[in-house]
Amino acid sequence: RKEVEQDPGPFNVPEGATVAFNCTYSNSASQSFFWYRQDCRKEPKLLMSVYSSGNEDGRFTAQLNRASQYISLLIRDSKLSDSATYLCVVKGYGGSQGNLIFGKGTKLSVKP
Amino acid sequence: DTGVSQNPRHKITKRGQNVTFRCDPISEHNRLYWYRQTLGQGPEFLTYFQNEAQLEKSRLLSDRFSAERPKGSFSTLEIQRTEQGDSAMYLCASSWTVDLFFGEGSRLTVL
Repeated sequence: RKEVEQDPGPFNVPEGATVAFNCTYSNSASQSFFWYRQDCRKEPKLLMSVYSSGNEDGRFTAQLNRASQYISLLIRDSKLSDSATYLCVVKGYGGSQGNLIFGKGTKLSVKP
Repeated sequence: DTGVSQNPRHKITKRGQNVTFRCDPISEHNRLYWYRQTLGQGPEFLTYFQNEAQLEKSRLLSDRFSAERPKGSFSTLEIQRTEQGDSAMYLCASSWTVDLFFGEGSRLTVL
């Protein structure tokens, strides 16, 4: 089982739609979780951290389920500018305290 | 521009040659990371420095790869005897806490 798994998509949605991405991670000792966004041919950029209680930033909501080792990202009222690849990221554990482990990413395409 | 800077942005080389990439992190960041990304994949961790100390190395990092951060500021990643499988985008990131700030990457093509 891979350390961080995501549905690669692509997700093709119309403007205004609500879309949800899921991510699972393999090690229950993982402590920190994030969503990064990567535009085509650009570097990844932090979108939001994921907190145990769930958190919201405008149209974006992130949730964490530690029991199921599952992270989600919900985008409401999607915009054309939301088209990108969304990377689920888990902070290392045990001896891997420093590095962040990235999923393969889920590609989102928002159409007019 | 005070972001993470990487050079060169593009490098084309022949198989068997050595290449070196440089990363200048955000000045107040003590942590520096190297990742590799190929098409359709997420970034894969290569190595991580806290100040000048190299604290972690991935098993992906064969003995042909070496990274340094001599004064805890800029870092270099050298690949010796390049192979076609080394073709990828090499991303550098820096951080002060946990959030990573990435550079635009150095794209390596090995012919």
